[in-house]
Amino acid sequence: SQQGEEDPQALSIQEGENATMNCSYKTSINNLQWYRQNSGRGLVHLILIRSNEREKHSGRLRVTLDTSKKSSSLLITASRAADTASYFCATDSGGTYKYIFGTGTRLKVLA
Amino acid sequence: EAGVAQSPRYKIIEKRQSVAFWCNPISGHATLYWYQQILGQGPKLLIQFQNNGVVDDSQLPKDRFSAERLKGVDSTLKIQPAKLEDSAVYLCASSPRVQETQYFGPGTRLLVL
Repeated sequence: SQQGEEDPQALSIQEGENATMNCSYKTSINNLQWYRQNSGRGLVHLILIRSNEREKHSGRLRVTLDTSKKSSSLLITASRAADTASYFCATDSGGTYKYIFGTGTRLKVLA
Repeated sequence: EAGVAQSPRYKIIEKRQSVAFWCNPISGHATLYWYQQILGQGPKLLIQFQNNGVVDDSQLPKDRFSAERLKGVDSTLKIQPAKLEDSAVYLCASSPRVQETQYFGPGTRLLVL
């Protein structure tokens, strides 16, 4: 079964708006990572957040982690057409450091 | 710094044929991963190497898939014989250590007819 599952499955917004996507997982984790995948290309790492961290920022990206709710969120502020992609969360399963990816959120930013 | 290299980028084969994919990780990265990504799904880990040893291959269909990592650097993934359901993108990734960020290659898109 999936360790991490993203929500929503698809999201369509206007350029300049903020986009929020969520990831829920089932078992305790050490780290959670967010990746972006443009159509037909490899995955690009965005942010890694450790279980003892609550929030991390990188440019227009903000990731939060709530271990009590077993969930994480990725916020993209002031979205651009170039942000159109699929976004995946990847969680390790306890102490294994084996990452399991969710099914992704497909974000479409309309110009 | 050069990224993860994979070849070929595309491959079309008939079912029951064999195919091999090659991956060259980022220099100095001890951990190497092979993932299978079926259209519309997230990547699924097939096998994870630490240097030239296998850490996890629990989701590798061992009756048809095999992988090796030569001298703890390059790696090859082989499918023999291929089935229609093997059509997917095969992604290779590497990281300095198991806990660290994974860097992905561009992938090999396989179509089995």
